[in-house]
Amino acid sequence: QKEVEQNSGPLSVPEGAIASLNCTYSDRVSQSFFWYRQYSGKSPELIMSIYSNGDKEDGRFTAQLNKASQYVSLLIRDSQPSDSATYLCAVNSPRETSGSRLTFGEGTQLTVNP
Amino acid sequence: GAVVSQHPSRVICKSGTSVKIECRSLDFQATTMFWYRQFPKKSLMLMATSNEGSKATYEQGVEKDKFLINHASLTLSTLTVTSAHPEDSSFYICSARYDSLTEAFFGQGTRLTVV
Repeated sequence: QKEVEQNSGPLSVPEGAIASLNCTYSDRVSQSFFWYRQYSGKSPELIMSIYSNGDKEDGRFTAQLNKASQYVSLLIRDSQPSDSATYLCAVNSPRETSGSRLTFGEGTQLTVNP
Repeated sequence: GAVVSQHPSRVICKSGTSVKIECRSLDFQATTMFWYRQFPKKSLMLMATSNEGSKATYEQGVEKDKFLINHASLTLSTLTVTSAHPEDSSFYICSARYDSLTEAFFGQGTRLTVV
């Protein structure tokens, strides 16, 4: 089982629609969760971080976390063509020895059609 | 968000030579820096986690002697690809964070081509 799994893409939505991106993780003791956006040839940029169960909203983006189900999602409302990118789910988990590691899912490629 | 600067953005080197990539946190002290490798249309592969003042923790399958990581200060980590081969050609990205729970911010990435 992969540590972080995202819904397979590519995902295509019309402009103005809601895009829904999903992610599950395997380590129950994971502590913090992040969504990044990556444009082709560029490095990832942080969109949202979420630490506790429930919803967190920031503009057109809403992150949802359910630790019992080991599930985190990202909703993008009123999708714009500029939202077209690969979205990466990242999970922060403690190491057995010390510190923690940040691992990423495979990413979901989103295309918003004008 | 915080600023992480990675240098160089592109480098071409000959087989057998070594290449050093720098990652700097410009406006915060990074207790942890991560080094990733990314192949085209693939996700980020964590290579190692670097904590200031201690040895880096490498992921399984990553050669420590091949990819030397140094985190000498709270604002600088370096990755040295030693005795580079064409198969080492890839996009290398660093990220840095303030503490063990908060978000990590990424550098611009370094595209390495070994000829």
